[in-house]
Amino acid sequence: SQTIHQWPATLVQPVGSPLSLECTVEGTSNPNLYWYRQAAGRGLQLLFYSVGIGQISSEVPQNLSASRPQDRQFILSSKKLLLSDSGFYLCAWSWGGNEQFFGPGTRLTVL
Amino acid sequence: GQQLNQSPQSMFIQEGEDVSMNCTSSSIFNTWLWYKQEPGEGPVLLIALYKAGELTSNGRLTAQFGITRKDSFLNISASIPSDVGIYFCAGPSGGSGGGADGLTFGKGTHLIIQP
Repeated sequence: SQTIHQWPATLVQPVGSPLSLECTVEGTSNPNLYWYRQAAGRGLQLLFYSVGIGQISSEVPQNLSASRPQDRQFILSSKKLLLSDSGFYLCAWSWGGNEQFFGPGTRLTVL
Repeated sequence: GQQLNQSPQSMFIQEGEDVSMNCTSSSIFNTWLWYKQEPGEGPVLLIALYKAGELTSNGRLTAQFGITRKDSFLNISASIPSDVGIYFCAGPSGGSGGGADGLTFGKGTHLIIQP
């Protein structure tokens, strides 16, 4: 069966510090991978998606970036965090169809 | 971009009651998805709908793909305390596109069950 992991589970960072969130998927190959952000416990906003190693598509302009160094690894980064980057970050995978399966999320607080 | 409108925003019900919520879009979708999210966790896929008029059940949950392809409904029968959470509808961001484009989510219906 497939499982998806995210870490860390929670993170508190000062404004201006760098960020690295990691997502890995087990039990499948060549998944599509996604990063979403959820603010205030409602509504998910798609940030990035990837259909293969090194292939990243961005949905919204921001100071975040994503990378996919391995088939089942997806990383969300920032060089300098803003207060507005606080939120709940969710990674998801799919086989290429519309059904997506989410990880447990990372709660990021920027102070 | 596309927007999905969910209603109601919140529901306060008694245990044992039936629940109905819906989702509408100004655009046509070829897929409707319903997710449930509990506090501090990622959304869990409940039901996927792929054909206009389709009615699909998952235990006490029943969802329908609207005939116009611009709406979907989720019903929960005989609610129990573990049904508490936020229910989201979602569809492919491209409307009729493939899954690689990601999903557009509604803002959710917050279900609260009073003892």
